[in-house]
Amino acid sequence: DTEVTQTPKHLVMGMTNKKSLKCEQHMGHRAMYWYKQKAKKPPELMFVYSYEKLSINESVPSRFSPECPNSSLLNLHLHALQPEDSALYLCASSYGRDDKNIQYFGAGTRLSVL
Amino acid sequence: SQQGEEDPQALSIQEGENATMNCSYKTSINNLQWYRQNSGRGLVHLILIRSNEREKHSGRLRVTLDTSKKSSSLLITASRAADTASYFCAGGGQYTGGFKTIFGAGTRLFVKA
Repeated sequence: DTEVTQTPKHLVMGMTNKKSLKCEQHMGHRAMYWYKQKAKKPPELMFVYSYEKLSINESVPSRFSPECPNSSLLNLHLHALQPEDSALYLCASSYGRDDKNIQYFGAGTRLSVL
Repeated sequence: SQQGEEDPQALSIQEGENATMNCSYKTSINNLQWYRQNSGRGLVHLILIRSNEREKHSGRLRVTLDTSKKSSSLLITASRAADTASYFCAGGGQYTGGFKTIFGAGTRLFVKA
């Protein structure tokens, strides 16, 4: 199983809503990532978890809150988002980091903030 | 804080032709990867080349890496309509905060049948 599953596929939320994005992998990968991608732009790294611990936060606003409940699951909790946060949110996982950092991506959650 | 710039930004070719995309990066890397993204979907890993390698092949893909020029190229031979996608290079290395993979701006490839 080389799949990273993201739910939901689409999400529309108001600026006062609280929602969560979910990501799951069963490949035994120990590193998991959240990226944000705007149209016609490359993915921008947001967070990296390594062995279930947050290792990198790319100065992401606190309205985005990541969580890694176990080695297979990664969540991104959203609260009080702004319209400019509308984007494709991609989750990825890799066996490790350094030279074992080939990343497997989910299909993404397309988020619209109204 | 993108690592790489890619050239060209967009490329349109006929089926059967070869497509070459170039990538430049700014800092030292341990490896450089290429990924493909079909419209609005997740990225798919294509090939990884380590910093001590100069060339690598995988099927119709050929990747070169020149660490002295901080550049890489991806060649897709005998292109097919199904190769239409965006292609991103991604440099993996030590940055502030730890090991990261940073993506370049990407090249949008259109292969006309």
